[in-house]
Amino acid sequence: AQSVSQHNHHVILSEAASLELGCNYSYGGTVNLFWYVQYPGQHLQLLLKYFSGDPLVKGIKGFEAEFIKSKFSFNLRKPSVQWSDTAEYFCAVSNTGFQKLVFGTGTRLLVSP
Amino acid sequence: KAGVTQTPRYLIKTRGQQVTLSCSPISGHRSVSWYQQTPGQGLQFLFEYFSETQRNKGNFPGRFSGRQFSNSRSEMNVSTLELGDSALYLCASSFLGQGPDTQYFGPGTRLTVL
Repeated sequence: AQSVSQHNHHVILSEAASLELGCNYSYGGTVNLFWYVQYPGQHLQLLLKYFSGDPLVKGIKGFEAEFIKSKFSFNLRKPSVQWSDTAEYFCAVSNTGFQKLVFGTGTRLLVSP
Repeated sequence: KAGVTQTPRYLIKTRGQQVTLSCSPISGHRSVSWYQQTPGQGLQFLFEYFSETQRNKGNFPGRFSGRQFSNSRSEMNVSTLELGDSALYLCASSFLGQGPDTQYFGPGTRLTVL
């Protein structure tokens, strides 16, 4: 069965600390990979995506993610977090040609000023 | 461009009632998907519509249904509501609905079943 694992459920960081959120997937076929963010009181927003090509993708607000096919991973990184990055982060996967997104359970990030 | 809009934003119903939620996709987007978000189960795919046809369905009972109109607007219906149907229902739209494509989410409708 298709599944996405986010191992960090809650992360607390101080401002300027570096961030890495793990995402592993179990999926057959060609995958499309996404990170979405849900700020408090706001709707899900796309942070970045990977379809093909360079496995290191850059998104909005200084976030980046690396697709490592051999490890079935798509980890999210940011070198220096800000208080405004406090949010819930979701990794999601779909198969090419299908719109069904399978989401991980999410990681709640709290950045203290 | 305006984003995905969903109405109503909040809804309170009682067990046994039915409810209809509405979604207007981003202009030009032809695919609409619905998701249920709960604290216990997270984000789960309900179904996807493209050109007024349901193309894909998640693992939900038949009480959950939907449809899409010729202008790509979509509605989902839940009949015989149960307490466990309390959730945030999210609609997402995408442009082509095929190949690598990105879904953009609306603000959701928060349904509370009493």
